[in-house]
Amino acid sequence: ETGVTQTPRHLVMGMTNKKSLKCEQHLGHNAMYWYKQSAKKPLELMFVYSLEERVENNSVPSRFSPECPNSSHLFLHLHTLQPEDSALYLCASSHSDTQYFGPGTRLTVL
Amino acid sequence: EDQVTQSPEALRLQEGESSSLNCSYTVSGLRGLFWYRQDPGKGPEFLFTLYSAGEEKEKERLKATLTKKESFLHITAPKPEDSATYLCAVQAPWAGNNRKLIWGLGTSLAVNP
Repeated sequence: ETGVTQTPRHLVMGMTNKKSLKCEQHLGHNAMYWYKQSAKKPLELMFVYSLEERVENNSVPSRFSPECPNSSHLFLHLHTLQPEDSALYLCASSHSDTQYFGPGTRLTVL
Repeated sequence: EDQVTQSPEALRLQEGESSSLNCSYTVSGLRGLFWYRQDPGKGPEFLFTLYSAGEEKEKERLKATLTKKESFLHITAPKPEDSATYLCAVQAPWAGNNRKLIWGLGTSLAVNP
C-alpha cells in the first residue's frame, strides 16, 4: 500500500470508551502529524512528531494521547471523550515542507 | 496574529467558465504557501507550494500565483471533476525551530456540466 493510510475510517464511541486511531506512512518521511477537522473551522494541528520526538502542543486536552513508536507509525489514543470531539481526524507526514495526508478517521462521540 | 482568509466561501461555475480563488494572509516570517484540494470525506491532496512573491506554478487547469499579501488559484475552463474544496495554508515559525501550517477555511467549488 502506498502513501498515508489510516484505520479505522469510521469510529463511533461512547464517552467512557477507550479507542485508538492508527496511521501508517509508506513514504519514508521523518515527521508525522495529527490534525482535527471540524465543520466551519480551519484544520487544527494537534501533535507533531519530528524524528520520533514529540513537539509539544499545550492546547490539546489530555484525553488525547499520541504515540509514535517509529518513523512510519503514529497512534492517537482516545479516552473519556466529549461529544464536541466528534470530527474528522487526519494524519499527515512530511520529509521537508510539504505534508501528505491520509484519508482520515470520521469520529463520532455519543 | 497569524491568519489566513479565503474567498469566496463558495463558488458555483458552469463548465468552461474560468475564475479565481483568493487566499490572503498575514503571517510573520512566511516560509511557504500551500494549496490543497479536498474531496468530501477524504484527506487534503497536495497541489502546489509557493515560496516567494512572483512565483507561479501550473498543473493541468490550475495555476497558482503569489504576491506579498495573497495568493490566487486560477481555474481555466473547469470541468465537473474539479468540484472540491480548495484549501490554502501558510507555513510560519512555531515552537522553536519547528514550523506549522496555518489554514484557511477553504473555498467550496462546484462546477456544473
